[in-house]
Amino acid sequence: DIQMTQSPSSLSASVGDRVIITCRASQSISTYLNWYQQKPGKAPKVLIYAASSLQSGVPSRFSGSGSGTDFTLTISSLQPEDFATYYCQQTYSTSWTFGQGTKVEIK
Amino acid sequence: QLQLQESGPGLVKPSETLSLTCTVSGASIISSDYYWGWIRQPPGKGLEWIGSIYYSGSTYYNPSLKSRVTISVDTSKNQFSLKVTSVTAADTAVYYCARSPYSGSSPFDYWGQGTLVTVSS
Repeated sequence: DIQMTQSPSSLSASVGDRVIITCRASQSISTYLNWYQQKPGKAPKVLIYAASSLQSGVPSRFSGSGSGTDFTLTISSLQPEDFATYYCQQTYSTSWTFGQGTKVEIK
Repeated sequence: QLQLQESGPGLVKPSETLSLTCTVSGASIISSDYYWGWIRQPPGKGLEWIGSIYYSGSTYYNPSLKSRVTISVDTSKNQFSLKVTSVTAADTAVYYCARSPYSGSSPFDYWGQGTLVTVSS
């Protein structure tokens, strides 16, 4: 299995802050990398697909970058509705795996 | 508007079989453009992909669950289903069904609301 490791596991930030979450794959996955946002009691929502493509309807303050083994999700200016848990997911292999999640909390 | 809805027992006894169905409305499950998948989330923990099926019946499973999991599709009812055998408390989770495009990075772009399944005697 390809292991996905996110860092940090949690972070505290203020409204307006720039937030960066990283995701590292245990082997190269090209750009087969997706990012999701999940709020408590809700299903996840895709934000970024193919490492850097913004899903339709997602605010432009979200962006993704990277290829190979190292990826980042950036929130350029954190908004109150962005406090949530974020997951990366690889779909390079036929066995898809998620990162362990990064919880973004209010500072 | 595409909608997915999970259904099935909320309580399953240890060693028995967990069975869930996902009903798809607003689109045909007979599409060469999409996979249909299951993902679970134990209480307070992260997401785990269980497996996915293509309309043709081709299946892809998480190796850690493969020996206990079967995903099937019923095109006449526009549904797909999940069975997990020999369940234990570790299978207690919210189970989601979701759709992912066949091409590219295949993100899960539509999800059901999720259903909590508790394994307990």
